[in-house]
Amino acid sequence: DQQVKQNSPSLSVQEGRISILNCDYTNSMFDYFLWYKKYPAEGPTFLISISSIKDKNEDGRFTVFLNKSAKHLSLHIVPSQPGDSAVYFCAASALGGGSQGNLIFGKGTKLSVKP
Amino acid sequence: SAVISQKPSRDICQRGTSLTIQCQVDSQVTMMFWYRQQPGQSLTLIATANQGSEATYESGFVIDKFPISRPNLTFSTLTVSNMSPEDSSIYLCSAVDEKLFFGSGTQLSVL
Repeated sequence: DQQVKQNSPSLSVQEGRISILNCDYTNSMFDYFLWYKKYPAEGPTFLISISSIKDKNEDGRFTVFLNKSAKHLSLHIVPSQPGDSAVYFCAASALGGGSQGNLIFGKGTKLSVKP
Repeated sequence: SAVISQKPSRDICQRGTSLTIQCQVDSQVTMMFWYRQQPGQSLTLIATANQGSEATYESGFVIDKFPISRPNLTFSTLTVSNMSPEDSSIYLCSAVDEKLFFGSGTQLSVL
């Protein structure tokens, strides 16, 4: 039973527009959430995170929103660039701070940004 | 930030054989972790590699199938033993440096 769900396997967006990637979770014990980006033949790289005590975290073009009541988070990329084309993984941790290695990952969403 | 070098990057193996994957971190890290990503699936933690003690395996993974070594604070190996086609996956090593970071992965195909 998946505890972290990314229901959209793929997303296509025009360059310059906003990309919104969604993630749902079922475990109310999760207290830290992360987004990773993965290019082909490379390992996932950390992108942005959010603690459960916040509802928004922003880093440049990337913003993560957390809705605890809905057990939902989303990653907004604005403006989207062709170099953002990658697979994006949502991950969650129940071990406090996300600094441990036992993350629960979603299946990923493949983002394609078209010029 | 720290970097993990993982090898091999890919391999094609015959069933019944074993493959050892190596990971080298360019700085000392307390814990290293091994993940698996089966086709179309999420990343799943196999085990935590502890220096100086046995690895800690997650439910569904056993030491006989996935023996792990951690001889020092910068190096770890994962062996996939007695392989079957169901072991065809991407295997990723990782470590924590403020956040979890990953090696580039090993794409394993078992015929």
